[in-house]
Amino acid sequence: KQEVTQIPAALSVPEGENLVLNCSFTDSAIYNLQWFRQDPGKGLTSLLLIQSSQREQTSGRLNASLDKSSGRSTLYIAASQPGDSATYLCAPYSGAGSYQLTFGKGTKLSVIP
Amino acid sequence: GAVVSQHPSWVICKSGTSVKIECRSLDFQATTMFWYRQFPKQSLMLMATSNEGSKATYEQGVEKDKFLINHASLTLSTLTVTSAHPEDSSFYICSARGVKRGGYNEQFFGPGTRLTVL
Repeated sequence: KQEVTQIPAALSVPEGENLVLNCSFTDSAIYNLQWFRQDPGKGLTSLLLIQSSQREQTSGRLNASLDKSSGRSTLYIAASQPGDSATYLCAPYSGAGSYQLTFGKGTKLSVIP
Repeated sequence: GAVVSQHPSWVICKSGTSVKIECRSLDFQATTMFWYRQFPKQSLMLMATSNEGSKATYEQGVEKDKFLINHASLTLSTLTVTSAHPEDSSFYICSARGVKRGGYNEQFFGPGTRLTVL
């Protein structure tokens, strides 16, 4: 059974700082991995999707890396802004009969103006 | 723009009544749809997985007779909470998996439905 751990659970940074969110998963047999953000009381917004054959993906100020063999992914946010404040969720997609995402508990990010 | 819609966005009902939540995939056909529930400050917990035209597969501990799922088409799934009780109050999120961009099979999430049972 896939288990996902996200560290830290919460993070508070001043505006403009670069930061890294960490995700580790126990079963490396994944097809891909998605990073999402969730605003309070809202659904999930997909940020980045990394295929298992890829090492990283970039979208604007976001860069996600994947080290499948070691079961780790990181989300790098450059020049953080108050609008980045949200909970960030990492979710590896395990196929082979278990066609579902497994979620970590997330990292709650607060960017202080 | 949104690729998965949910309706209603919030609902308040009396204990014992049934509530139906709709989930639609927009601009793509969903091979599989998922229903999650999320309690405050907790992560998403998968309730069930459904494929169009077939019965849903429920996760352990989820009562299939209480949470009825109908996946009527490749773009619509409904979750009916039957005889709702206060402990069913939660945030319900649907998700649809399909190919929308870049040719990759990806999972998209709806905005969620806040259910409050009085």
